[in-house]
Amino acid sequence: EDKVVQSPLSLVVHEGDTVTLNCSYEVTNFRSLLWYKQEKKAPTFLFMLTSSGIEKKSGRLSSILDKKELSSILNITATQTGDSAIYLCAVDLSWGKLQFGAGTQVVVTP
Amino acid sequence: DAGVIQSPRHEVTEMGQEVTLRCKPISGHDYLFWYRQTMMRGLELLIYFNNNVPIDDSGMPEDRFSAKMPNASFSTLKIQPSEPRDSAVYFCASSLWAGEYSGANVLTFGAGSRLTVL
Repeated sequence: EDKVVQSPLSLVVHEGDTVTLNCSYEVTNFRSLLWYKQEKKAPTFLFMLTSSGIEKKSGRLSSILDKKELSSILNITATQTGDSAIYLCAVDLSWGKLQFGAGTQVVVTP
Repeated sequence: DAGVIQSPRHEVTEMGQEVTLRCKPISGHDYLFWYRQTMMRGLELLIYFNNNVPIDDSGMPEDRFSAKMPNASFSTLKIQPSEPRDSAVYFCASSLWAGEYSGANVLTFGAGSRLTVL
C-alpha cells in the first residue's frame, strides 16, 4: 500500500521562527513530490520536486527532495502569521494521481 | 481565469437523499479529479478523468457514488443514497498535462463543497 507520512502533525511557533516540515513516502511508483498549502479553503500549489537534491525556493519557503531517503523537507524562514495553514505533501503515483499525506498544521503566533 | 468552480459550496441533507455536486474545470485543462477530505482520512482521490474519460475510479467508496463528465467543461459527483459517513469536503481539481518528462500534473483545486448528511 502506498504511504505518505508527514511530521509533525502540528506545531506552534512564534513569528520570526524557522519551521521545518518533513514528508516521507513509501510508494510503488514515484514520479514526483508536491507541496501544497491549505488555508481555509482549497489547497494551493507551492512546489514540485522531481530530482533529488535540487532545492526549490520561493521567497521564504524552500524545499528539497532526497530520493535515497525517500523524503522531503519544507522550510519556512522568518515565519509570519500569514504562514499559518496546513501544509500538505503529495506524491504523484502516475499521471497526476496524487497520494496525499495527512498534513502538518502550522500555527504562527504574533 | 475564474479557476475551478464548484457548486454548491455547502449542502446539508438528510440520510437517504440524493446529492449532486458540480464542477467546472479550468478551460483547456485535460484532467479532472474528484477528492474527498475528512479529518480522519485526509485527502483521498475518488476518481479522475482524462479528456472526459474516467481513468481510475478505484477510490470511489461504493456503488452509491458515481461521477460523470459529459463534456470538457462540466463534471458531476453523485451520491445516492447519502449516508452520514459521506459528510466531508469534496474537492474538484483540474490540470493540464505538461508532457512525459515534466513530472506531475500540477492540480488546481476548487474551493470545495462541504457536505453534511444528517
